[in-house]
Amino acid sequence: NAGVTQTPKFQVLKTGQSMTLQCAQDMNHEYMSWYRQDPGMGLRLIHYSVGAGITDQGEVPNGYNVSRSTTEDFPLRLLSAAPSQTSVYFCASSYSGDTTGISDGYTFGSGTRLTVV
Amino acid sequence: QKEVEQDPGPLSVPEGAIVSLNCTYSNSAFQYFMWYRQYSRKGPELLMYTYSSGNKEDGRFTAQVDKSSKYISLFIRDSQPSDSATYLCAMSARGFQKLVFGTGTRLLVSP
Repeated sequence: NAGVTQTPKFQVLKTGQSMTLQCAQDMNHEYMSWYRQDPGMGLRLIHYSVGAGITDQGEVPNGYNVSRSTTEDFPLRLLSAAPSQTSVYFCASSYSGDTTGISDGYTFGSGTRLTVV
Repeated sequence: QKEVEQDPGPLSVPEGAIVSLNCTYSNSAFQYFMWYRQYSRKGPELLMYTYSSGNKEDGRFTAQVDKSSKYISLFIRDSQPSDSATYLCAMSARGFQKLVFGTGTRLLVSP
């Protein structure tokens, strides 16, 4: 059971480049989300999905796109990278976004460290 | 003003000490309260969750929620060097949807 797998672990981009951060989970979790973690800012929600085909914006969605074509995968796309997007990105999943799976908690991936120069 | 406030620390204590970690919040709609532990260069892991007000105990860890004061706490008894990590509080109005995190408190437990 791999849990939540994020790739790549590290990435350096030039301003204006695009890329996709991959996230996959093998726990059949319905709810998946992307957070970014910055010093002094904590974890901030970018986008989330309550199931295949359904996505919604979080607190800081600008500059990012997501899609959820399968239950397992939830990629995050950076459309045109900017230095302000330098951060550590975490993908997380849970059995359900409501209290049904609350005892299972939120499983986080190990993160992708992105630097935009 | 942030919805969730948490002292970033670092908080340094000797092994065996009782540790108190705290968060305050402003959104009265929050009903689900969680504590996550994050080791350096790792993803957060859920330690405890509490629904509404009250206490919850799990081994050396006790979580308290005081909704009237909009204040939550995590107590660690008999702290160990392995407890050295960043502790994040998180909360939401509904389960795990749209969790709002504090900035995290870095804890250092010295042998």
